[in-house]
Amino acid sequence: TQLLEQSPQFLSIQEGENLTVYCNSSSVFSSLQWYRQEPGEGPVLLVTVVTGGEVKKLKRLTFQFGDARKDSSLHITAAQPGDTGLYLCAGAWNQGGKLIFGQGTELSVKP
Amino acid sequence: NAGVTQTPKFRILKIGQSMTLQCTQDMNHNYMYWYRQDPGMGLKLIYYSVGAGITDKGEVPNGYNVSRSTTEDFPLRLELAAPSQTSVYFCASSYSSGVLLGTGELFFGEGSRLTVL
Repeated sequence: TQLLEQSPQFLSIQEGENLTVYCNSSSVFSSLQWYRQEPGEGPVLLVTVVTGGEVKKLKRLTFQFGDARKDSSLHITAAQPGDTGLYLCAGAWNQGGKLIFGQGTELSVKP
Repeated sequence: NAGVTQTPKFRILKIGQSMTLQCTQDMNHNYMYWYRQDPGMGLKLIYYSVGAGITDKGEVPNGYNVSRSTTEDFPLRLELAAPSQTSVYFCASSYSSGVLLGTGELFFGEGSRLTVL
C-alpha cells in the first residue's frame, strides 16, 4: 500500500510566525498537489508540482518538490489567521496509481 | 456557476437503513469522484466515473454503489448502513483524466456529513 505521511498532524502558532509542513513517501511521485480545506467546505487546490526540485510560490506560501520526487514541503511565511485550515497533500505514482491523499495537517493561527 | 452541489448536507441513519447521497455538477466535467473523509485519515476514494455509463472502484468501495446515467449526476448509494460508514462524504469533479494521474484539478462539493447510529 502506498502511503503519504504528513507532519506535523497539528500545528498551533501565533500570527506572524513561519511554519513548514512536510509530505513524505517511500515511493516516487509522478506529481504532487497541495490542497487547503476550511471547516464545512471541500478542499481547494493550491498548487501542482511535477518536476523534481521544483519550487512554486503563491504569495506567502512556498511549495517545494524534492529532487528525488519522494517528498514535498509547504512553507508559510508570516502566518495569518486566514491561513487557518486543513492542508492536504495528494500524490500520484508512476505506475498509473490514482491520486492518494495524505492524512492532513491541521493549522491554527492565533491572532 | 454553482460548481459541485451535494445533498443532503447532514443526515442521521439507523443501522441497516439505506440512503442515496446526491451529487450534481454544472461544469460539464466528464470525471466525477466520491471520497470519504475521516479525522486524521485524509480523503479516501470510494468510486469514480470517467463518463456517463462508466464507473470504477476506488480504494474503499465496500458497502457503496454508484451509477452515472448523465454527465451531471453521480449519486452514491449506501445499502445497509453501518457505524463504520459514519463520515463526511465529498463529491468532486474534474475536466480531465489528469486527476487520476495527479496533474488535474479536483473541484469539490461542500460535503455531506453522515452519522450511522
